[in-house]
Amino acid sequence: NFMLTQPHSVSESPGKTVTISCTRSSGSIASSYVQWYQQRPGSSPTTVIYEDNQRPSGVPDRFSGSIDSSSNSASLTISRLKTEDEADYYCQSYEGSDHVVFGGGTKLTVL
Amino acid sequence: QVRLVESGGGVVQPGRSLRLSCAASGFIFNSYAMHWVRQPPGKGLEWVAVISYDGSDKNYAESVKGRFTISRDDSKNRLFLQMNRLRAEDTAVYFCARDITAGWFDPWGQGTLVAVSS
Repeated sequence: NFMLTQPHSVSESPGKTVTISCTRSSGSIASSYVQWYQQRPGSSPTTVIYEDNQRPSGVPDRFSGSIDSSSNSASLTISRLKTEDEADYYCQSYEGSDHVVFGGGTKLTVL
Repeated sequence: QVRLVESGGGVVQPGRSLRLSCAASGFIFNSYAMHWVRQPPGKGLEWVAVISYDGSDKNYAESVKGRFTISRDDSKNRLFLQMNRLRAEDTAVYFCARDITAGWFDPWGQGTLVAVSS
């Protein structure tokens, strides 16, 4: 079984770009899709990226996802930061049908 | 629109049982696998259990295996989580979520809080 490791927190200024990493501990990052969820305080998670780099309808194109096999990690990049992007972000992947894994979450502060 | 609404949470003593329910609407319920995910207060997300679209396959996190049972009633468009022998560490907001494809959870319900305390 693998784990997904995220930075505990990141911060950046409005209008800038921030990247949140998600590193897989074992097995290839490319072997199963990675999703990214945004969770604002008091709310349930919502999808910002699915299947590594796909954006659901309604999610701005300021959000993008990628994977990097050399570092065995996935990344969520948010450009042109807005104060409304301040939230917790979780990466998630799986192995087979019985092992779903969430990263520990990253608190994004936009200051 | 697609909607999931959890219910059944509350305060319960250690060792007791609780049954959570998730009402689904806006989609063909029996076409999708469904999950339970929990979030302890102030902490991250933890996957709990999954049930296949037809109920034939169920899987659980090690932390709840043997104590929790996931089930579904497709005639009522409902998902359930029977939680037995509850422990303090089971205290969390419990979310139900639809599995769209390849482990993508969407949408999530609003969650229901389970507090295990004497």
